[in-house]
Amino acid sequence: GAVVSQHPSRVICKSGTSVKIECRSLDFQATTMFWYRQFPKQSLMLMATSNEGSKATYEQGVEKDKFLINHASLTLSTLTVTSAHPEDSSFYICSARGLAGGLEQFFGPGTRLTVL
Amino acid sequence: EDQVTQSPEALRLQEGESSSLNCSYTVSGLRGLFWYRQDPGKGPEFLFTLYSAGEEKEKERLKATLTKKESFLHITAPKPEDSATYLCAVHLDDKIIFGKGTRLHILP
Repeated sequence: GAVVSQHPSRVICKSGTSVKIECRSLDFQATTMFWYRQFPKQSLMLMATSNEGSKATYEQGVEKDKFLINHASLTLSTLTVTSAHPEDSSFYICSARGLAGGLEQFFGPGTRLTVL
Repeated sequence: EDQVTQSPEALRLQEGESSSLNCSYTVSGLRGLFWYRQDPGKGPEFLFTLYSAGEEKEKERLKATLTKKESFLHITAPKPEDSATYLCAVHLDDKIIFGKGTRLHILP
């Protein structure tokens, strides 16, 4: 149980284009989903928290107009990196927390974004 | 300031050599402490949640314990497949803070 998928697993794009990453909870309903980015040999940096049907809450320093988050259903959240630049290249990971009330977050496998 | 510190940063053990990883925290309003395992290029895999001091949880060769100031992840007789980065995270009232992780390498 508690499986979270992400798509795509890898994406390479040109500078200035937009990229959408999907995060799905496959076997549970997720009231809250989280988006993180991780640099090599660094820990996870929380970017934003989203609750189904409401606007995402962004962490300080994260540009909400650049990283658009939509949490349209209890099983799907998307992160769109708009007008991507090479400095946006990173490993993006989503996680989901279920309805059962537990605090645990279950993570997706991550998406490696490379902006040329 | 709320802080989570993991030590050591890296640890190399021989197969079968037991050891412990440490996660110390100075926070207010702890609601839970989590341990995750992360393999290179993959998302973290949930291992344990601990809610209160004195609590212990076990899974195969791993045992997690919690005090009021720190948590330990004990690894008994590790195997090469236990090699990974182990992350701890503390859940506060309004946020979750991850440690930087311990990179564990088990030599055959």
